[in-house]
Amino acid sequence: SQQGEEDPQALSIQEGENATMNCSYKTSINNLQWYRQNSGRGLVHLILIRSNEREKHSGRLRVTLDTSKKSSSLLITASRAADTASYFCATHSSGSARQLTFGSGTQLTVLP
Amino acid sequence: AAGVIQSPRHLIKEKRETATLKCYPIPRHDTVYWYQQGPGQDPQFLISFYEKMQSDKGSIPDRFSAQQFSDYHSELNMSSLELGDSALYFCASSLSPDTQYFGPGTRLTVL
Repeated sequence: SQQGEEDPQALSIQEGENATMNCSYKTSINNLQWYRQNSGRGLVHLILIRSNEREKHSGRLRVTLDTSKKSSSLLITASRAADTASYFCATHSSGSARQLTFGSGTQLTVLP
Repeated sequence: AAGVIQSPRHLIKEKRETATLKCYPIPRHDTVYWYQQGPGQDPQFLISFYEKMQSDKGSIPDRFSAQQFSDYHSELNMSSLELGDSALYFCASSLSPDTQYFGPGTRLTVL
């Protein structure tokens, strides 16, 4: 990926545990978004956090953004087997460009 | 709620053939994006259109072209296909520069 790196690349946890995924990026951004992708399927938008926000919640998801460190984290609490998927962060850079630049993704496996 | 529609969902072509992928954005969305995702890779931006005009261009090969029509649907035309073009091709649409909603993708296999 030209923009973001995600850490870890793969994560395996037990159902009920929390999962934390991290993302780093390189340029100034307008916002950062997290997407989920089940194997070989479409990308599902999870949550968007703007550059002037530090934390955002949506259900079992909690996203933080540290623009000074150019990093973000996604926390999934009380994980379920159905959360098994790849999770990507994507940044919308400052300026007029509208495209998203994706990180390399974290493969999360939640074991029942 | 209506989602982004892509067709076909699967496509198999021979090397050097041509392929056309179609995308129907969410109604009233003004921007369409195309992304390519190779096996085990993250999605890479190809091209976007805002109000039927090309707005941004990413890593789109010269063999590929795209356009957005008066009804806002978009087509990605791919010529002289190569084995390396085998990938998932996603279309996304948005009303603002913020949240992009992705279609289910077209899986292109080049033999």
